[in-house]
Amino acid sequence: EPEVTQTPSHQVTQMGQEVILRCVPISNHLYFYWYRQILGQKVEFLVSFYNNEISEKSEIFDDQFSVERPDGSNFTLKIRSTKLEDSAMYFCASSRSGIQPQHFGDGTRLSIL
Amino acid sequence: AQSVTQPDIHITVSEGASLELRCNYSYGATPYLFWYVQSPGQGLQLLLKYFSGDTLVQGIKGFEAEFKRSQSSFNLRKPSVHWSDAAEYFCAVGAGGASGTYKYIFGTGTRLKVLA
Repeated sequence: EPEVTQTPSHQVTQMGQEVILRCVPISNHLYFYWYRQILGQKVEFLVSFYNNEISEKSEIFDDQFSVERPDGSNFTLKIRSTKLEDSAMYFCASSRSGIQPQHFGDGTRLSIL
Repeated sequence: AQSVTQPDIHITVSEGASLELRCNYSYGATPYLFWYVQSPGQGLQLLLKYFSGDTLVQGIKGFEAEFKRSQSSFNLRKPSVHWSDAAEYFCAVGAGGASGTYKYIFGTGTRLKVLA
């Protein structure tokens, strides 16, 4: 069964550094999402992306965050200047249509030192 | 406001016992409801979904859930739990946004422990 693939599985970064989290959605999916889960807390929506533009973003997704689909297969989340509170598990998800269930990757654990 | 509540943070059951995990939602329109399971170090795996129609939905791994509009609930059930079901379970509601996208609003999760 096709899967959403995320790399790296674990990223350790110094505070203030830029980080890029990478995702390869399922190939025939058109809708893409990022979520995050701070340790011990619930999964929170960050941003949705369709037709090469952001459809919706949460209040967490401030100017330090950006997303991009640089080619036909990758979907990236960039944090420009990381903060300690950005430490979390970041999940990428994709769906074939907006209403169809989202398929999640295994996540990237981001640790900010 | 849109929200999902899972009242039970931890549940412990014996292997072979029945299971019910509770989920209540608050959403103004027709809800799209989901249950996901997360094993340690893994991503979220879809167990089942409710869009419309039959209010009792069947999922993978022997799970089922019942949508009750009058109670704003979508409880997950399994008649006989297996040790491999130990994991964290998340209920979610899909909230429609621009361009047909749906952001998921998750509950805080219920961690299931299974005793041998």
